[in-house]
Amino acid sequence: KNEVEQSPQNLTAQEGEFITINCSYSVGISALHWLQQHPGGGIVSLFMLSSGKKKHGRLIATINIQEKHSSLHITASHPRDSAVYICAVAGNQFYFGTGTSLTVIP
Amino acid sequence: DTAVSQTPKYLVTQMGNDKSIKCEQNLGHDTMYWYKQDSKKFLKIMFSYNNKELIINETVPNRFSPKSPDKAHLNLHINSLELGDSAVYFCASSPEIAGGAYEQFFGPGTRLTVL
Repeated sequence: KNEVEQSPQNLTAQEGEFITINCSYSVGISALHWLQQHPGGGIVSLFMLSSGKKKHGRLIATINIQEKHSSLHITASHPRDSAVYICAVAGNQFYFGTGTSLTVIP
Repeated sequence: DTAVSQTPKYLVTQMGNDKSIKCEQNLGHDTMYWYKQDSKKFLKIMFSYNNKELIINETVPNRFSPKSPDKAHLNLHINSLELGDSAVYFCASSPEIAGGAYEQFFGPGTRLTVL
């Protein structure tokens, strides 16, 4: 079993929809990262969280340390949000989720 | 200016060869990393390194070795390449290792194909 589980694995949404991607982890962590990998392959760090909630533009990330769970929300989704979103946790080493492939249809 | 750069972008080679991938960061960061992304797009950390400590993921074969000539560079050497080494390799950097509590900046990746 992977230390980090993401759901859903694949997600298709219509432009404008509110999107939620979930991440659960089973190890003790000092921080959780949300990454975005574009179809071209480049990886960008979206958020680094150790508690609470962070917002950047249309993206919101939350974490519940007690429940070992984090969510990434995208409001008013747009086709340019189409990418793979990866959850990663930093414990005694880095562990990665398998990613959620998001496609936003115009 | 590119923050984290890798060369080459693509590398095609024969089984058994020895190859290197170079990584440079101009962010002044203390810590650099190497990651492997397999054909199923699963990312796995291989090494993290700062001027004090090299942390190796114990699952990484000793054919893989990081070499850091200075704080801004962390190169990846691979000996006796095998078919299973085919993957995309990403370099990244962050200000401190501090349990991973700092944002990481990723290079564009190097796609290695072993024939």
